[in-house]
Amino acid sequence: QVQLQESGPGLVKPSQTLSLTCTVSGGSISSGGYYWSWIRQPAGKGLEWIGRIYTSGSTNYNPSLKSRVTISVDTSKNQFSLKLSSVTAADTAVYYCARTTIFGVVNDFWGQGTLVTVSS
Amino acid sequence: QSVLTQPPSVSAAPGQRVTISCSGNSSNIGNNFVSWYLQLPGTAPKLLIYDNNKRPSGIPDRFSGSKSGTSATLGITGLQTGDEADYYCGSWHSSLRAFVFGPGTKVTVL
Repeated sequence: QVQLQESGPGLVKPSQTLSLTCTVSGGSISSGGYYWSWIRQPAGKGLEWIGRIYTSGSTNYNPSLKSRVTISVDTSKNQFSLKLSSVTAADTAVYYCARTTIFGVVNDFWGQGTLVTVSS
Repeated sequence: QSVLTQPPSVSAAPGQRVTISCSGNSSNIGNNFVSWYLQLPGTAPKLLIYDNNKRPSGIPDRFSGSKSGTSATLGITGLQTGDEADYYCGSWHSSLRAFVFGPGTKVTVL
């Protein structure tokens, strides 16, 4: 069964770039048939989709975050990554990575999440 | 402001049935599959229903999903205290080229 694990700094200063990595185990990220997604959740609030990437490098981003987001994939390490630039306190959230099916667009496996706080 | 609409909360006594609605439009639910996610307190979301009405392995048949037009419904029968959680619907939004989640519904077992 596939497992995902987020990693990265838990504290980022305002105006800097948030960088997170998701390591996939139990399956190859380049096996095809899936997108790899990032989703976040501010404390006490709902889920917000950030974006997704296919192993070809093709991406889709949330229009509200598109100007600040970059998602990339490293198939050699079975990882994909998130960069969010010019962060503010509003970007403080638990960040989840997830596997997303191509057919049906289903987020079927999720990481446990990692809290990122934006503060000076 | 979510593109999809869900009631903030629903409640019922143990053993009863609850339904959660998820309303969208032709750009999302109307022309794409709906999935539902369960989030127990302090944990990551978990897939509950996919492709409108299918249950992943391990999800009991007390949980069901349906879709009609631009709306979807999650049903939970035989409500248990362990079902107290937040439930989110989600769907691909064709014109935004983005996945959208509903705002979430908190289920309370009375």
